Amino acid sequence: KQEVTQIPAALSVPEGENLVLNCSFTDSAIYNLQWFRQDPGKGLTSLLLIQSSQREQTSGRLNASLDKSSGRSTLYIAASQPGDSATYLCAVAGTGTASKLTFGTGTRLQVTL
Amino acid sequence: EAGVVQSPRYKIIEKKQPVAFWCNPISGHNTLYWYRQNLGQGPELLIRYENEEAVDDSQLPKDRFSAERLKGVDSTLKIQPAELGDSAVYLCASSFQRELYEQYFGPGTRLTVT
Repeated sequence: KQEVTQIPAALSVPEGENLVLNCSFTDSAIYNLQWFRQDPGKGLTSLLLIQSSQREQTSGRLNASLDKSSGRSTLYIAASQPGDSATYLCAVAGTGTASKLTFGTGTRLQVTL
Repeated sequence: EAGVVQSPRYKIIEKKQPVAFWCNPISGHNTLYWYRQNLGQGPELLIRYENEEAVDDSQLPKDRFSAERLKGVDSTLKIQPAELGDSAVYLCASSFQRELYEQYFGPGTRLTVT
């Protein structure tokens, strides 16, 4: 059974800092990995999707990397802003059922002025 | 393009009462998902539809939960009777195989059972 872990559970950084969020998974046989953002009381917004054959994906100030062999992914946020404050969730799709995601519990990020 | 639509956004009911949630996926998305998210946790899949067929309902408490997806578009999730432990956010998502099953989520329904 796939298990997804995110560390740290919470993070507070001053505005302008670069930061890294970590995600680890136990089964390396994955189809893809998605990073989501969730604002309080809202649904999930897809940030980046990395296919199993890819090493990284970039969107604006966000960069996600994938190391399947070690079961790890990182989300790098450059020049953080208060508007980046949210919970960030990592989710993994297995090769057996590509449409089924297993989620981590998330990292709650606060960017302070 | 409209996103995933869910209603209602909030629902407060007393235990043992029935409740229903509605979801309209993104146009053209043949896969639809219902998740439950407890406070401080990631979403957990309840049921997954491929078109009209429920292909994964192993996590759905079938004694009290039911779901349907008529004509392979809209879907309804029902709880009857509700229990205190059902208080959570119920999320609907949709995806399309040709888009690598990237999932798009609705805003969710926050259910409180008193």
